[in-house]
Amino acid sequence: AAGVIQSPRHLIKEKRETATLKCYPIPRHDTVYWYQQGPGQDPQFLISFYEKMQSDKGSIPDRFSAQQFSDYHSELNMSSLELGDSALYFCASRIRRRRTDTQYFGPGTRLTVL
Amino acid sequence: QQPVQSPQAVILREGEDAVINCSSSKALYSVHWYRQKHGEAPVFLMILLKGGEQKGHEKISASFNEKKQQSSLYLTASQLSYSGTYFCGTEKVDRGSTLGRLYFGRGTQLTVWP
Repeated sequence: AAGVIQSPRHLIKEKRETATLKCYPIPRHDTVYWYQQGPGQDPQFLISFYEKMQSDKGSIPDRFSAQQFSDYHSELNMSSLELGDSALYFCASRIRRRRTDTQYFGPGTRLTVL
Repeated sequence: QQPVQSPQAVILREGEDAVINCSSSKALYSVHWYRQKHGEAPVFLMILLKGGEQKGHEKISASFNEKKQQSSLYLTASQLSYSGTYFCGTEKVDRGSTLGRLYFGRGTQLTVWP
């Protein structure tokens, strides 16, 4: 079965640089969620999109922005990177109307800011 | 908003049982259980919806007490492959609807020894 695809899997950046993370949801999934997981921490919700519109917003810094495109893939853009942005970034997808179904997580992008 | 998970850590011998608890102060629509190995994506185990149901999956089962807003994950006859960090993710009801974001507990680190 197809899974959520994230790219790149690993990314190393310097402070103040920018980064773009990509997410390709499971086919026919209309909702995408972004989570940030710091070392030893639980995943923290950043932002979500439903049918290409932002549907919910969590603890996402103003330096970050995201969007969902017509093919349902999503990109998380991060600017002015800080050391504290080093984390695992997960994308998850879901079919919104299927309330009995869960969010399926991608393999994550490990971002390291030096 | 964040559910409370207990215990923080469990150490077991193969074949022993464990219970992980998750409680919330908010009205919940559903509880999602995941297992995560170090550096990998959370893997979905099961979802429980309001209605107080109990579900089972091989030797792993879970219950959801809607009145108490509590869920428990039961691991029986543990295997080495059960080792990892277990997270509960809660989906809460807000003004009569859910937006789908999950609030994760801090996780329970389970170690199974031979």
